[in-house]
Amino acid sequence: DAGITQSPRHKVTETGTPVTLRCHQTENHRYMYWYRQDPGHGLRLIHYSYGVKDTDKGEVSDGYSVSRSKTEDFLLTLESATSSQTSVYFCAISESWNTEAFFGQGTRLTVV
Amino acid sequence: AQKITQTQPGMFVQEKEAVTLDCTYDTSDPSYGLFWYKQPSSGEMIFLIYQGSYDQQNATEGRYSLNFQKARKSANLVISASQLGDSAMYFCAMREVNQAGTALIFGKGTTLSVSS
Repeated sequence: DAGITQSPRHKVTETGTPVTLRCHQTENHRYMYWYRQDPGHGLRLIHYSYGVKDTDKGEVSDGYSVSRSKTEDFLLTLESATSSQTSVYFCAISESWNTEAFFGQGTRLTVV
Repeated sequence: AQKITQTQPGMFVQEKEAVTLDCTYDTSDPSYGLFWYKQPSSGEMIFLIYQGSYDQQNATEGRYSLNFQKARKSANLVISASQLGDSAMYFCAMREVNQAGTALIFGKGTTLSVSS
């Protein structure tokens, strides 16, 4: 199995609080991605990274920011959590554009 | 506009039958990759098969094959001899190469139910 770990796995937080999710890899892969999964919407891309300090927005980036200060870590921050951000969040990594992405186990985030 | 379209929210098939899950995509980039993933009820994402835009032959991996029709921009997944364990959500995804980012975009998925 690819070395990719998400933390925390579960989190309940209050509306208006900042939240940071961490994705850690041991594969030295270049590309890292954050998705959210909601019923009826599939996986929607939030942000992605193609190198250290190189990031770009996905289709649902509003309310989220990311940072990648080293190859192995990709952080997703909800600046001020809202109930609409209740979701399952997946991190993924890939070595190059034509190789498969490996996924973390997911983080279930509930904003109350 | 959606870049990846999966028009079948749900599909039902009996064991040992073959099933085709549809996927169409939209891109103007001549270089791209197409992927299929399986997500069982346990939630993990499992890579199934990959097709590159320049690949001459359709990709195959065991019971999985990808029916790649470039002119139609379709990349349908064919599962031969369905098994009960194939019951899951299936996602089609695409990665374009025309920019540094190469985002990996997913469709909304198709739920496959296999009955005995």
